[in-house]
Amino acid sequence: GAVVSQHPSWVICKSGTSVKIECRSLDFQATTMFWYRQFPKQSLMLMATSNEGSKATYEQGVEKDKFLINHASLTLSTLTVTSAHPEDSSFYICSANIALDFSTPAIFGPGTRLTVT
Amino acid sequence: TQLLEQSPQFLSIQEGENLTVYCNSSSVFSSLQWYRQEPGEGPVLLVTVVTGGEVKKLKRLTFQFGDARKDSSLHITAAQPGDTGLYLCAGFYGQNFVFGPGTRLSVLP
Repeated sequence: GAVVSQHPSWVICKSGTSVKIECRSLDFQATTMFWYRQFPKQSLMLMATSNEGSKATYEQGVEKDKFLINHASLTLSTLTVTSAHPEDSSFYICSANIALDFSTPAIFGPGTRLTVT
Repeated sequence: TQLLEQSPQFLSIQEGENLTVYCNSSSVFSSLQWYRQEPGEGPVLLVTVVTGGEVKKLKRLTFQFGDARKDSSLHITAAQPGDTGLYLCAGFYGQNFVFGPGTRLSVLP
C-alpha cells in the first residue's frame, strides 16, 4: 500500500539553529502534502498545505518565514524550522493523499520529534 | 471553534468493557475518516465512511456515519489493552483535511 516516510524520526538541536524535516511519498505521487504539529496529549493542528511547484499555503497564526516549506518534486516536501526555539519543540507530522477527493483518506508519515534545547 | 468535535475527551475503562466515542460537526462532510494514533507515531487509518447512515465493522470496532453526514460514532466491543490510543476523526473541509481534537482511550488490564 501507499506509504509516507519522514526523516529524521527525531532530532535535537540547539536554540537558534535550523532544522530540516523531509516528507516523502514512497510509491505514489503527491501534488499536495500537509504539515501538522502536535503538542503532547493534543490533537494534530494543520500548519500548512504544501503544493508541488508553488508556494505553500499557511494556516492563520503560522509564521511562513519561520516554517519554510519546499515541495520540489511530486514525492518530496521539506519543512525547515528556522532559528528554532524551545517552544518549537513538538511532534511534526506530514501527510499526503493519493487523490484529493473526499473518499481518499490521508496517509500519514510516522512523525518527527523535534526537541530544541 | 473546531469544525469537528469529539467526545469524550478522555476515557479510561477496564478490559472487556464496551465503549462509544463520538465525532460531531455543524457542517456536512462528504466523508469522515477515523484514525488511531499511538504515542510517538503517526495516525493510522481505521476506516472511511462515505454514505449517510453507513455502518462499517472492523473486527470489534463498529463505525457509523450519521444520516445527515454531520456526525459519526465508533463503538468498541470488549475493549482490550491494545485498543489504547488517541482516536481521531477527520475529513475534508474544502481543500483542507481537518482533525477533531481526539478521544484519548486507556484500557486497563
